[in-house]
Amino acid sequence: GGIITQTPKFLIGQEGQKLTLKCQQNFNHDTMYWYRQDSGKGLRLIYYSITENDLQKGDLSEGYDASREKKSSFSLTVTSAQKNEMAVFLCASSVDRGGERLFFGHGTKLSVL
Amino acid sequence: GDSVTQTEGQVALSEEDFLTIHCNYSASGYPTLFWYVQYPGEGPQLLFRASRDKEKGSSRGFEATYDKGTTSFHLRKASVQESDSAVYYCALSDLSGANTGKLTFGHGTILRVHP
Repeated sequence: GGIITQTPKFLIGQEGQKLTLKCQQNFNHDTMYWYRQDSGKGLRLIYYSITENDLQKGDLSEGYDASREKKSSFSLTVTSAQKNEMAVFLCASSVDRGGERLFFGHGTKLSVL
Repeated sequence: GDSVTQTEGQVALSEEDFLTIHCNYSASGYPTLFWYVQYPGEGPQLLFRASRDKEKGSSRGFEATYDKGTTSFHLRKASVQESDSAVYYCALSDLSGANTGKLTFGHGTILRVHP
């Protein structure tokens, strides 16, 4: 089996701050994803990557950057944190590009003061 | 674009009650349908999936049948337990056109089961 590790588990930022979330997987999966989870809104795709150095925008990419420098890691940057923003960011990976079965990390909970 | 609609935002049941969570979808192609479950403090995990019309997916007593005619994939369980309390997500993966590589999720249904 494998595991997806997200760091940090909790992230507190200030309005306007640039914040980076990290994700590592040891499944050796090709495709990795970042989803944002808001109460009552489900999971919305921010970015995904089908291989090292590839980036594809999801439905919610504005305000975020992503980086896939290695097959095993995928980072997400909030370019300017919004005041009172609160959400959980979920990283996931899948063995193929069809998104057939996603394995998720436990999430990073973001709070912006 | 593709979309998934879960009718119930929250469901409260007692142990041994029958569960139904309704899921309807809209997709341009022939999608694969999924149910994911998320327990507190964890990420979502796959419950089961179905990729053909009339195919039934099932796991841990939960089941759903792919219905292309009514574009539905409703989740059912005959007798829920307190340990089933979680958030349930319906999702689809459409490999046609430009949608390769991502799942589209519904808004989720919070299930609370009381002893």
